[in-house]
Amino acid sequence: QKEVEQNSGPLSVPEGAIASLNCTYSDRGSQSFFWYRQYSGKSPELIMSIYSNGDKEDGRFTAQLNKASQYVSLLIRDSQPSDSATYLCAVMNSGYSTLTFGKGTMLLVSP
Amino acid sequence: SQTIHQWPATLVQPVGSPLSLECTVEGTSNPNLYWYRQAAGRGLQLLFYSVGIGQISSEVPQNLSASRPQDRQFILSSKKLLLSDSGFYLCAASLGSGNTIYFGEGSWLTVV
Repeated sequence: QKEVEQNSGPLSVPEGAIASLNCTYSDRGSQSFFWYRQYSGKSPELIMSIYSNGDKEDGRFTAQLNKASQYVSLLIRDSQPSDSATYLCAVMNSGYSTLTFGKGTMLLVSP
Repeated sequence: SQTIHQWPATLVQPVGSPLSLECTVEGTSNPNLYWYRQAAGRGLQLLFYSVGIGQISSEVPQNLSASRPQDRQFILSSKKLLLSDSGFYLCAASLGSGNTIYFGEGSWLTVV
């Protein structure tokens, strides 16, 4: 059973701070990793994808990947109240074209 | 542009009634298509995926079925709904390069 683990939270940070979201996965063969944001009652929207070890930056978001440790993270700089949502880590299953999702981490950014 | 249309957006169905949720994709050809379910307080569960017309893979045995009658159309069905079928149903498609998966706006199903 392929698993993706996330801390459910909530993770509370003040406005302007850095939010750090973490994820571990069990499938050593996985090569593609994604972060989605889901507002309450809405469908998930893609924030970042990462395929290689290291960091990938896009605006205020930085994804980090360490395949040896089977660890993916998402950093949100200058957090805004509008960033308050559940963040889902997803891993592409090796040999397939399907994603396994973690249960998500709820982020709360207070003004 | 590539878009995923899903309907109906919400529905309330009695136990034992049939179900049909429809999803269509625009702006791309031969996408992989997926049905996910998100029950209250739970993660996203993959129900079905399809890599082509008439090709359906089931991830979870249950009273739901899926069909892909056309390249960009994916249908989720049930002959008799159970209370446990309530949830948020999401159609998704791989669009663009890298097998990146995007979601439609979802369908809220309440079985009463």
